[in-house]
Amino acid sequence: GQQVMQIPQYQHVQEGEDFTTYCNSSTTLSNIQWYKQRPGGHPVFLIQLVKSGEVKKQKRLTFQFGEAKKNSSLHITATQTTDVGTYFCAGPNYGQNFVFGPGTRLSVLP
Amino acid sequence: SAVISQKPSRDICQRGTSLTIQCQVDSQVTMMFWYRQQPGQSLTLIATANQGSEATYESGFVIDKFPISRPNLTFSTLTVSNMSPEDSSIYLCSVRDSPKETQYFGPGTRLLVL
Repeated sequence: GQQVMQIPQYQHVQEGEDFTTYCNSSTTLSNIQWYKQRPGGHPVFLIQLVKSGEVKKQKRLTFQFGEAKKNSSLHITATQTTDVGTYFCAGPNYGQNFVFGPGTRLSVLP
Repeated sequence: SAVISQKPSRDICQRGTSLTIQCQVDSQVTMMFWYRQQPGQSLTLIATANQGSEATYESGFVIDKFPISRPNLTFSTLTVSNMSPEDSSIYLCSVRDSPKETQYFGPGTRLLVL
């Protein structure tokens, strides 16, 4: 079945440093979604990418969908302590369900 | 956006017992899902709750262990049956209006089985 991988598994950064997490799918995706889960919280939708090569920005967050629609990245510029959490990518599986990647856990040292 | 509530928020249960988790949405939604998330792990889809018909289970999950009800478009229950310590996890209800729409998650039910 479809697999969605993410690297790195963990990332520790100093506040103010940049952070990037990468998502790779074993199959071509019609779209990809990103979620953030704060410690003790539930996943919260961040964004959906649909087009090949698409780039979307949300303040300090930049999301990119690969040209082949098999990979994606999330880049955070100048991390803040509020960015702490686990970032998941998710891709559709046989149309209706989403397969979630294992997540990248970000910790930000003040 | 959909607002989802789950009950109970947490529970501690004895081995061999069953627990029913409720999920209530503030609006009618087409799709409802149940996920399991073990500590520090990703989300694993248990099943899709279908209104008026049997749920669709993912590989590794069976109806006898995780019976699901969905009597209408705003409510669903998941029962964790004959629990063992391996069932200790967070169970999350999730909804979506269409395959390309945003997916919303409930706050989760934290279950500990002793």
